[in-house]
Amino acid sequence: IAGITQAPTSQILAAGRRMTLRCTQDMRHNAMYWYRQDLGLGLRLIHYSNTAGTTGKGEVPDGYSVSRANTDDFPLTLASAVPSQTSVYFCASSDGRAGDTQYFGPGTRLTVL
Amino acid sequence: GQNIDQPTEMTATEGAIVQINCTYQTSGFNGLFWYQQHAGEAPTFLSYNVLDGLEEKGRFSSFLSRSKGYSYLLLKELQMKDSASYLCAVRDSNYQLIWGAGTKLIIKP
Repeated sequence: IAGITQAPTSQILAAGRRMTLRCTQDMRHNAMYWYRQDLGLGLRLIHYSNTAGTTGKGEVPDGYSVSRANTDDFPLTLASAVPSQTSVYFCASSDGRAGDTQYFGPGTRLTVL
Repeated sequence: GQNIDQPTEMTATEGAIVQINCTYQTSGFNGLFWYQQHAGEAPTFLSYNVLDGLEEKGRFSSFLSRSKGYSYLLLKELQMKDSASYLCAVRDSNYQLIWGAGTKLIIKP
């Protein structure tokens, strides 16, 4: 059982480049989330999806886009990366019911130069 | 605004007990979560409280007082592997999780 996988594990990217972070879950969870984690700050929600075909904006959505074409995949795209997007990105999923627990992928460490 | 406060860092001794506090001010309340995060790894679920009182799960217990906007995580019989960051998160009225910055727990022999 893989749970949630993310790719790549880490990436160094030049500013202005486009980048897609991949996230796949095999738990058939309805809801999926993208967070960024920066030193000294709590996890901050970028975008979320309550079910396939729908997405919503979180606390820090600017500069990021997502799609949810099916239940399993939830890619995060940086259209034109900037240095302030240097962070650790976590994908998470949950079954979407009240009181549900979020399960996290291993994370992607992204550095934008 | 929404706010979750926890101490930045705590130190405890192997075999002892430590209490990590979390206070919150959020728009609505639909449950409080504690997660453990080892350095360089993903957060993993520890506990969930939605009603006042104590939830015990082995060496770990979590307490909630909704009227005080307060929770704590109690870790007993500390082991070196408990060295990690402990994250408090509150589910708000929109059913989104608001996260604290985490408490780094250092265990000394």
